[in-house]
Amino acid sequence: NAGVTQTPKFRVLKTGQSMTLLCAQDMNHEYMYWYRQDPGMGLRLIHYSVGEGTTAKGEVPDGYNVSRLKKQNFLLGLESAAPSQTSVYFCASSYRTAWDEQFFGPGTRLTVL
Amino acid sequence: GDSVTQMEGPVTLSEEAFLTINCTYTATGYPSLFWYVQYPGEGLQLLLKATKADDKGSNKGFEATYRKETTSFHLEKGSVQVSDSAVYFCALSGSGSGAGSYQLTFGKGTKLSVIP
Repeated sequence: NAGVTQTPKFRVLKTGQSMTLLCAQDMNHEYMYWYRQDPGMGLRLIHYSVGEGTTAKGEVPDGYNVSRLKKQNFLLGLESAAPSQTSVYFCASSYRTAWDEQFFGPGTRLTVL
Repeated sequence: GDSVTQMEGPVTLSEEAFLTINCTYTATGYPSLFWYVQYPGEGLQLLLKATKADDKGSNKGFEATYRKETTSFHLEKGSVQVSDSAVYFCALSGSGSGAGSYQLTFGKGTKLSVIP
């Protein structure tokens, strides 16, 4: 079991560029989440999905889009990157709800110049 | 809305010292409470959890008790090791219904460094 994997691990973008972060899980979990981690801010939820084909907004969704076309994958897109989106991004999954343990990926460090 | 407040870090302890990291929360309803740990360069992993008042979560020598009367979930360990150096996050599950129930609300994290 690989658990939760994220690609890429690092990325540098210029302002206005776009990119997609890929999250994959092999635990057959229904729920998947995207967080961003900023110094002194803890983790903040960007978007989440409660099943294949469904997505919903979290605490800080502006500037991001997501898709869950397959149960095992959850994609996070930045259409026009801004320096404020410089952060470490974590994907997580859980069997059902937030009451269940969330399993986290290793993170993607994104820098927007 | 829901919120979690945990003690500011960093915390530096000598090996075998006693550890307490304070965590208090504000929530409606009856949230579940968690401690997650993040080792350097890694994602978060669940350390322990408690799902109702007076429950005690424990793992790897760490303990925390869900205190509804003081809205607290303090993390303790009797004797820390160098390998416990990490960032510790207190979190609560969405205590309401609907969309809020899917979210974990995290504290800002407390960095612990244990020196030999």
